[in-house]
Amino acid sequence: AQSVTQLGSHVSVSEGALVLLRCNYSSSVPPYLFWYVQYPNQGLQLLLKYTSAATLVKGINGFEAEFKKSETSFHLTKPSAHMRDAAEYFCAVSPNAGGTSYGKLTFGQGTILTVHP
Amino acid sequence: DSGVTQTPKHLITATGQRVTLRCSPRSGDLSVYWYQQSLDQGLQFLIQYYNGEERAKGNILERFSAQQFPDLHSELNLSSLELGDSALYFCASSVTGAGHGYTFGSGTRLTVV
Repeated sequence: AQSVTQLGSHVSVSEGALVLLRCNYSSSVPPYLFWYVQYPNQGLQLLLKYTSAATLVKGINGFEAEFKKSETSFHLTKPSAHMRDAAEYFCAVSPNAGGTSYGKLTFGQGTILTVHP
Repeated sequence: DSGVTQTPKHLITATGQRVTLRCSPRSGDLSVYWYQQSLDQGLQFLIQYYNGEERAKGNILERFSAQQFPDLHSELNLSSLELGDSALYFCASSVTGAGHGYTFGSGTRLTVV
């Protein structure tokens, strides 16, 4: 079974500060890893994904994440926060092999990011 | 517009009733996934269909069922509704598996009163 743990249900930063949202995964097979963002009253939007290529993945809106196998982590960062980054962020994992669970994403509990002026 | 269309956007119904949620996947996507999002349970995977066939099942109650039609749209049927079924129900689609990432619809907010 696969799972992800997002450390911190709420993160608050000042505008212009570094954003760091933490995600650790558990997987018995090599995983695919994803970060999604959800703005209020909207669906989830894919920010970036790791699919066994480069370990440093760049996504939309200036976000990036680094896959660290030794730490089973996939933390999301952004050098300088904007007010528009305020949203809920979800880390997700999927197996990159076949089988009946292929394609199923397992999500973390989410981290709400608040950005202060 | 993500390309995944969910209807209706809002639904209010009474306990014991039955509702149907509809999802049209993004053009070219063969897989459809249903998720339930609630404050206490977070995002829970319900079921996946691929090209009309059930591919994977998650924490879907027996009172819930789904299907994917030949035109690839999908319906999620919820019956004998309980207050605890109140949630956001999301549909997502992908070309095949999750390797490409999902495209989510904007969801159906179900309120059971």
